[in-house]
Amino acid sequence: DGGITQSPKYLFRKEGQNVTLSCEQNLNHDAMYWYRQDPGQGLRLIYYSQIVNDFQKGDIAEGYSVSREKKESFPLTVTSAQKNPTAFYLCASRSGEGIYGYTFGSGTRLTVV
Amino acid sequence: GQQVMQIPQYQHVQEGEDFTTYCNSSTTLSNIQWYKQRPGGHPVFLIQLVKSGEVKKQKRLTFQFGEAKKNSSLHITATQTTDVGTYFCAGFTSGTYKYIFGTGTRLKVLA
Repeated sequence: DGGITQSPKYLFRKEGQNVTLSCEQNLNHDAMYWYRQDPGQGLRLIYYSQIVNDFQKGDIAEGYSVSREKKESFPLTVTSAQKNPTAFYLCASRSGEGIYGYTFGSGTRLTVV
Repeated sequence: GQQVMQIPQYQHVQEGEDFTTYCNSSTTLSNIQWYKQRPGGHPVFLIQLVKSGEVKKQKRLTFQFGEAKKNSSLHITATQTTDVGTYFCAGFTSGTYKYIFGTGTRLKVLA
């Protein structure tokens, strides 16, 4: 079945460490996105990529970095510069037309310990 | 800046009661899409509306897109415990074509 796979499901990070969240899709979608969701809150856009080897900052990109070397993969690195990284991270993709909305992965819960 | 507000933020209903969430955009939207996020889960796409004044139904759910394409509503008839979750609207802004998510409405259904 086609879909988006995010790993790991839960991640614990020590302060000062960088961590990378994985996002892989087999939907052949061009566009991919990373969102952050805090408890009881909406979705905030971190980074997005419309095409391989190109990506753009979203509304809260500071302290995060991404790469898009393959169409299927869009990993997110949470750097030590991100002061409050504890959150639920959601990866999404959509086809060019977007008529079926975004397809989301199951998310990664990151906790700083 | 451009934003999409949803009201109410929270709603508790008794099972069997109706529920409505309203989505209001500060700018015209080219389309409106609705998602449902179960507790602990991820958003799942429900439906898209494109035309001004459009109404679509999915079983007990009725979706409406406003005439001015700046607001939308989701109405659930006779809620069930399986309706629990957060409902988000989202859409592409006309002109700038930026995709914006609404603030969400969290629904709790009491059995």
